Amino acid sequence: AQKVTQAQTEISVVEKEDVTLDCVYETRDTTYYLFWYKQPPSGELVFLIRRNSFDEQNEISGRYSWNFQKSTSSFNFTITASQVVDSAVYFCALSGWNAGNMLTFGGGTRLMVKP
Amino acid sequence: GAVVSQHPSRVICKSGTSVKIECRSLDFQATTMFWYRQFPKQSLMLMATSNEGSKATYEQGVEKDKFLINHASLTLSTLTVTSAHPEDSSFYICSASGGQGPGETQYFGPGTRLLVL
Repeated sequence: AQKVTQAQTEISVVEKEDVTLDCVYETRDTTYYLFWYKQPPSGELVFLIRRNSFDEQNEISGRYSWNFQKSTSSFNFTITASQVVDSAVYFCALSGWNAGNMLTFGGGTRLMVKP
Repeated sequence: GAVVSQHPSRVICKSGTSVKIECRSLDFQATTMFWYRQFPKQSLMLMATSNEGSKATYEQGVEKDKFLINHASLTLSTLTVTSAHPEDSSFYICSASGGQGPGETQYFGPGTRLLVL
């Protein structure tokens, strides 16, 4: 069985603050893939990142960075110098080797960035 | 790249009518397409998985005769909500993947908001 937990249901920050969205996962597969998606108010899910279980290097893309730690089964997402346009619901998702390309989603974290 | 369109974006219909939603991969061939349903302030709930040319696989609790899925080509899948009722009102989102293998990225359409009166 696979499970993704995003303990933070809502986060509110003021523009320019840094914010970290937590994601903890469970899987019995030794090979698996982790994803983050952004869902702005318009509704469309925007793909942000895909990471496989053998690559624990942290990744940075502009103001976005991801910290993958297998030891704690976490794949946290940090937004540096947040902007109002970052306001959205963010979903962490897991695809285990034996699940094909099916995704297990976390409950999502609603981020509100206030000006 | 990896653009998925969905049509219509919004539909209002009377109870008892059927509604068809189209999902298209615009710049890649989608071996697999997925249909999800999302209630307000909740996560996505997978309804079914469809592979081109074969019957869709439905998740437990999803009525296959209620939600008809057709994946006739590598770029098009359709979801038909038959005899829609108010409880079918929801946000329906499709996604497409270029492969069936583990870890293939799913790219999502913009979603369709269905309101059944």
